[in-house]
Amino acid sequence: KAGVTQTPRYLIKTRGQQVTLSCSPISGHRSVSWYQQTPGQGLQFLFEYFSETQRNKGNFPGRFSGRQFSNSRSEMNVSTLELGDSALYLCASSLVAGEAGELFFGEGSRLTVL
Amino acid sequence: AQTVTQSQPEMSVQEAETVTLSCTYDTSESDYYLFWYKQPPSRQMILVIRQEAYKQQNATENRFSVNFQKAAKSFSLKISDSQLGDAAMYFCAYRSAEGAQKLVFGQGTRLTINP
Repeated sequence: KAGVTQTPRYLIKTRGQQVTLSCSPISGHRSVSWYQQTPGQGLQFLFEYFSETQRNKGNFPGRFSGRQFSNSRSEMNVSTLELGDSALYLCASSLVAGEAGELFFGEGSRLTVL
Repeated sequence: AQTVTQSQPEMSVQEAETVTLSCTYDTSESDYYLFWYKQPPSRQMILVIRQEAYKQQNATENRFSVNFQKAAKSFSLKISDSQLGDAAMYFCAYRSAEGAQKLVFGQGTRLTINP
């Protein structure tokens, strides 16, 4: 069974640009959540989607957005990039939402903003 | 809001020895879940062990066990018979029992295994 797949793995952008990251969950998993990992702030929750609906959102500005498609694949978008957005963005999937089921993480998308 | 604190940024242990990683958390909730995740260098994060707050018995997974002290809000991870493959960042995480899959992570502990 394929794991959580995130694309692209690495990308470099300049300030002011926008970026879209993609996450394909494990087959059959309907819940997808996103996390930002930086050396200074650690791991911070961005948002969670289940059945194409955003269930929860972390404390991030409106420049950060996401969506989930009918096949459970998810995308997150960051507009008007800032230097501080440089981070490893992790996607995690689980079978269902609302239970303490195991979260399976992808390898992440490493974004560098110059 | 819930917080998770890992007071040991780095730890090291000799191969085959035992090491304990500390974690404390703060919450006003009575029902929640606690996790330890392992993130090897340049590899994806994987779940090591999980503890439900309503269970008094400490969780155990092979060489990994926890010491869960609910009143003290403490959740330490013990790794027995340490192996070179245990070298990684270890994150303690909290999740409310109500709904969403939102994890609150600690800052992490970098574990080094000395051969």
